[in-house]
Amino acid sequence: DTGVSQDPRHKITKRGQNVTFRCDPISEHNRLYWYRQTLGQGPEFLTYFQNEAQLEKSRLLSDRFSAERPKGSFSTLEIQRTEQGDSAMYLCASRVLGEQFFGPGTRLTVL
Amino acid sequence: ELKVEQNPLFLSMQEGKNYTIYCNYSTTSDRLYWYRQDPGKSLESLFVLLSNGAVKQEGRLMASLDTKARLSTLHITAAVHDLSATYFCAVDKDTDKLIFGTGTRLQVFP
Repeated sequence: DTGVSQDPRHKITKRGQNVTFRCDPISEHNRLYWYRQTLGQGPEFLTYFQNEAQLEKSRLLSDRFSAERPKGSFSTLEIQRTEQGDSAMYLCASRVLGEQFFGPGTRLTVL
Repeated sequence: ELKVEQNPLFLSMQEGKNYTIYCNYSTTSDRLYWYRQDPGKSLESLFVLLSNGAVKQEGRLMASLDTKARLSTLHITAAVHDLSATYFCAVDKDTDKLIFGTGTRLQVFP
């Protein structure tokens, strides 16, 4: 499969715990994006990378959130001290030219 | 701040009927996208519209773009149940991050 992959697909955690998600973009795609989607809403931009450089972060990305793309390939999104309001689908997308291709998402449930 | 609005938010239509979903955006943008999302699933790209007057068709769906009016439409022809899903439009903003509309939940019934 040569599409965008994300792991895990589902994560249930207790409030206050830390979680980390991984995204593997389509190979040779130098741009990688993270979005968050809550129930009944459209996806909202969180951050994006060009190669290993994080070029923009949304105001939605509080200090508890951090994203990395150390070698310009896969990316991780970490949420520290999770809150119930963090429950959402976290989507990763990659692109080289033109459109963004989305991964299957990681659904996070914070109890 | 770039805003994207879709209407209707919910659409229930009978099989065989035609209908149009509208997408308005507040400032100029380079590209407009339409995505489909099935419940609990990720986003599937349907169309990318790059210029004023662009029209693209795939099966029973046709998308168009009027950049002067800042309006895109997604037209459904002779709907079938398999088209039931949520449809999002999105526009590029500056660094290619996408700004999404609120989505239109389409339900097609016999």
